[in-house]
Amino acid sequence: EDQVTQSPEALRLQEGESSSLNCSYTVSGLRGLFWYRQDPGKGPEFLFTLYSAGEEKEKERLKATLTKKESFLHITAPKPEDSATYLCAVQEYSGYALNFGKGTSLLVTP
Amino acid sequence: EAGVTQSPTHLIKTRGQQATLRCSPISGHTSVYWYQQALGLGLQFLLWYDEGEERNRGNFPPRFSGRQFPNYSSELNVNALELEDSALYLCASSLPRGAIGYTFGSGTRLTVV
Repeated sequence: EDQVTQSPEALRLQEGESSSLNCSYTVSGLRGLFWYRQDPGKGPEFLFTLYSAGEEKEKERLKATLTKKESFLHITAPKPEDSATYLCAVQEYSGYALNFGKGTSLLVTP
Repeated sequence: EAGVTQSPTHLIKTRGQQATLRCSPISGHTSVYWYQQALGLGLQFLLWYDEGEERNRGNFPPRFSGRQFPNYSSELNVNALELEDSALYLCASSLPRGAIGYTFGSGTRLTVV
């Protein structure tokens, strides 16, 4: 059973069309939840860390939120340069490795 | 400040051979993590090194091994290569006990033929 499940697998948006990506997780004790952005052929780029339910963080057109079971990455008025794969990962108290979901591939068209 | 650097960028090996991948962490980072990103499988945790010691390993066979040097750089060795080892291998570094997240390198694309 996967600890981290991301949905949808792929999302196509028109420029300016806001939407949300979902990351649901099951862990015994959450140290932190991480969001990364990955462009084709490159390593993941760190976006946010969330530590506790109710926490929110923002960066430009992105806003990440956290509950006890899931996290959302809200994209407001996206631009074509926001096209990428967005990865969610959890870190448990029992260790320091990150457990990643399979990602959501986002395409924003002009 | 230089980021995490990995070499080589691309590597082509024949089945049964050995591959060595290298990683230099960000200055001041002592923890190095290795991940495998195979098509359709997402990032899978391989190994974690901190202060020269292997601290944890993922669910991979023993032919995946590595080490961390005194300058905190690291290498990943994959012995007896199999076709399914073809993947992007990513290295990340962090301060000790990286609770504030990792910084990833751009990866080494390993192709086994």
